[in-house]
Amino acid sequence: EPEVTQTPSHQVTQMGQEVILRCVPISNHLYFYWYRQILGQKVEFLVSFYNNEISEKSEIFDDQFSVERPDGSNFTLKIRSTKLEDSAMYFCASSERGTGGTGELFFGEGSRLTVL
Amino acid sequence: AQSVTQPDIHITVSEGASLELRCNYSYGATPYLFWYVQSPGQGLQLLLKYFSGDTLVQGIKGFEAEFKRSQSSFNLRKPSVHWSDAAEYFCAVAGRGSTLGRLYFGRGTQLTVWP
Repeated sequence: EPEVTQTPSHQVTQMGQEVILRCVPISNHLYFYWYRQILGQKVEFLVSFYNNEISEKSEIFDDQFSVERPDGSNFTLKIRSTKLEDSAMYFCASSERGTGGTGELFFGEGSRLTVL
Repeated sequence: AQSVTQPDIHITVSEGASLELRCNYSYGATPYLFWYVQSPGQGLQLLLKYFSGDTLVQGIKGFEAEFKRSQSSFNLRKPSVHWSDAAEYFCAVAGRGSTLGRLYFGRGTQLTVWP
């Protein structure tokens, strides 16, 4: 069964360092997303990406964050200068169609980021 | 503003017992509704969804959910719980129309199953 894969599963970094989280979406999917879950809090939407550009982003997704689909298979989330409050589980998801078109999101297992 | 409330943070049931997990939402119009499950070390897996039509929807693993517009609720049920159902369950909503996958999640309900 096709699945969304994420690497690394866990990353520990120092405050101020750059981090790149990687995702390989399901191959025929066209819509890509990042969500995050701070420990004990809700899963929150960060950004959606379609046709090589950001479709929508939340207020969380500020200038420290960026996304890229560098090679047609990977989908990355970069945090330029990490802060303590960026510590969270980051989930990548993909879908064949957008949710507005009844597309189901398939999630990866998550990448846990710990900022010290 | 959109919000999803799962009032039960943690529920414990015995294997074979029935289960109901509560979900209430606040949204401008009837949204799309989802239940996801997350087992330890796994990603979020879709259990079921409601878009329109019959308000009782069937999902995978024997789960069902009922949409009640008057109560703004979408409670998840299972008649007989198995030990493998122990996991965290998330209710989520998404707007109709052009929203491209922005889901609003509840805090989740952790389910423990006693043998």
